[in-house]
Amino acid sequence: QKEVEQNSGPLSVPEGAIASLNCTYSDRGSQSFFWYRQYSGKSPELIMFIYSNGDKEDGRFTAQLNKASQYVSLLIRDSQPSDSATYLCAVNDNDMRFGAGTRLTVKP
Amino acid sequence: DAGVIQSPRHEVTEMGQEVTLRCKPISGHNSLFWYRQTMMRGLELLIYFNNNVPIDDSGMPEDRFSAKMPNASFSTLKIQPSEPRDSAVYFCASSVTGGDGYTFGSGTRLTVV
Repeated sequence: QKEVEQNSGPLSVPEGAIASLNCTYSDRGSQSFFWYRQYSGKSPELIMFIYSNGDKEDGRFTAQLNKASQYVSLLIRDSQPSDSATYLCAVNDNDMRFGAGTRLTVKP
Repeated sequence: DAGVIQSPRHEVTEMGQEVTLRCKPISGHNSLFWYRQTMMRGLELLIYFNNNVPIDDSGMPEDRFSAKMPNASFSTLKIQPSEPRDSAVYFCASSVTGGDGYTFGSGTRLTVV
């Protein structure tokens, strides 16, 4: 069974700080990586995807991929209370497998 | 587009009853996925379809669970008989095969008492 591992948290950061969320995966052949955000009682929503080694930026979000280390991360700059949610890392190899998620709290 | 539509939003049923969950994928999406989410096990893939054909049902917990996709715009997940341990949120998601990520429906919260 392919595995996706995340620190369950909770992770708490002050408003305006950088939140760093991390994920490792077991299948060295994996090619596609995704970050989803899930608010309490809601469905997961896609916020970032990354396929190549390095960084990918989208507004306040940066996804980082290191295939040699089998490591994916998500940085959230200038964190806002509205960013408080559970962040799910996912790896797509024909089907998408999710980590357990990291709960992030941004305190005003 | 209305997104992925699931029904019902909430379902409370007694142990032993049959439960049917429904999903309408986004038009033009040819892959459909059923997930189950619990606090203990997180988001688990149950089964997925490509072009209405079941591809991988290895995540279906046991024979009490079955899923069908009779056409490109409709899928069902059936539990018969239901048990309290089936209580969870069931999500349907759809995508274009090889596309960038899945779109999830709002989910069905199932409670079996």
